[in-house]
Amino acid sequence: NAGVTQTPKFQVLKTGQSMTLQCAQDMNHEYMSWYRQDPGMGLRLIHYSVGAGITDQGEVPNGYNVSRSTTEDFPLRLLSAAPSQTSVYFCASSYSRWGARGTGELFFGEGSRLTVL
Amino acid sequence: SQKIEQNSEALNIQEGKTATLTCNYTNYSPAYLQWYRQDPGRGPVFLLLIRENEKEKRKERLKVTFDTTLKQSLFHITASQPADSATYLCALDLIASGTYKYIFGTGTRLKVLA
Repeated sequence: NAGVTQTPKFQVLKTGQSMTLQCAQDMNHEYMSWYRQDPGMGLRLIHYSVGAGITDQGEVPNGYNVSRSTTEDFPLRLLSAAPSQTSVYFCASSYSRWGARGTGELFFGEGSRLTVL
Repeated sequence: SQKIEQNSEALNIQEGKTATLTCNYTNYSPAYLQWYRQDPGRGPVFLLLIRENEKEKRKERLKVTFDTTLKQSLFHITASQPADSATYLCALDLIASGTYKYIFGTGTRLKVLA
C-alpha cells in the first residue's frame, strides 16, 4: 500500500492564480481531510469528507473548495491564491469511527508546501 | 470554541530520562484523545489513542494518561533516546458533538540530548 499520496510536494503561485492539490489514498478509508500547518498555529482543519459525495467545512474553509467523487481521491482547490494561503498542506484519511473498523487513527501524507507570491 | 494547549514550545531533556508532555483542553469532553509524532518536513504519524473510559495506555516506552476531570492528557516517554527528538501533537475528536472533526494542539518540540 502506498498510503496517502499528495502531489505536488512543492508549488509556487502568484497571487490570483488557481491550483489543485491532489490527495489519494489506497486504504479504502471513508474519512478524508485537509489541514494546513503554519508556525505557531498547529494543524488547522480546512475541509473534510465522510464518504464519496459528502463534504463539510472545517475551521478555515474560506478560499478553498473540495469535492469527493470517489473514495480514493480528495482534491483541494485554491480558487484565487493569496499570500495568506502560503502554508504546508496535509491530507489525512482514516476509517470512520462510527463504523465497525478502526478508531479514527489518522494517516497523513507527506505534505505539500505552497508559496504564494 | 474548543481549545487545546500543549506545554511549552520546546522541551530539552537528557538521554535516559523520562519526558513528560502535557495536553490540556477546554469546553469539550472528547471520546478519544490521540497522540502523534511529527519529524521535520514530514507528516504526523499516529502513536497512541486513549479512550475516555481508560485511565492509562502503554506501548513499549510510551505511556499516555487521560484525566477527563482535569481535561488533561499526559504523554510519557521513558528511557528517552536522541531518536525520540521530534514534535509531539495531541488531537481530540469532536464526533460526540455531531461533527466529524479532529482538532490538534500546536505541539511540543522535544529534544533529547546525548
